Amino acid sequence: AQKVTQAQTEISVVEKEDVTLDCVYETRDTTYYLFWYKQPPSGELVFLIRRNSFDEQNEISGRYSWNFQKSTSSFNFTITASQVVDSAVYFCASFGNEKLTFGTGTRLTIIP
Amino acid sequence: DTAVSQTPKYLVTQMGNDKSIKCEQNLGHDTMYWYKQDSKKFLKIMFSYNNKELIINETVPNRFSPKSPDKAHLNLHINSLELGDSAVYFCASSHGPPKGNTIYFGEGSWLTVV
Repeated sequence: AQKVTQAQTEISVVEKEDVTLDCVYETRDTTYYLFWYKQPPSGELVFLIRRNSFDEQNEISGRYSWNFQKSTSSFNFTITASQVVDSAVYFCASFGNEKLTFGTGTRLTIIP
Repeated sequence: DTAVSQTPKYLVTQMGNDKSIKCEQNLGHDTMYWYKQDSKKFLKIMFSYNNKELIINETVPNRFSPKSPDKAHLNLHINSLELGDSAVYFCASSHGPPKGNTIYFGEGSWLTVV
């Protein structure tokens, strides 16, 4: 069974600081997929990134970057130069057994 | 132009009532899902359908009955609503069979049972 752990329940940083959200996954599959979703205060779930288990290259998209390390079963998410609009709950998720299993989420608050 | 749309967005109803939430996707996807988010923000799958066939039924009470009239629609009917059913219900869809393609979510339906 898939398991995703987001140990950070809540994080607050001052605007323009960098912040990293941690994600640790457990799986017995050799092929698996990892995701990050953002849930802003308005409530919708916004897809951010999908990464398959064969691709350990880090990815950067604007101020967002993701660090995938199979050796530590981690898929961490960094926001550089944070902005108030980044305030949201962020979910890490793993796909296996035909379903997406979510972590418990990290609530990120950016203080202006 | 909403890709995955759910109606209604907000629903307040009394215990014991029966209610439905409708979901439609215009992405041409083959697989659709229902997820439930509880008051602690925990997200858990309830059902998934691939080309109208049930794939996953995640030990959901049989008061919950999904119906997929075609692969673009997956509706959720709930009988005899209970207080504990209060939650946000998300419909979602993905391309092809459920093998790890990106899952796109609707905006959620906030159900409050009083």
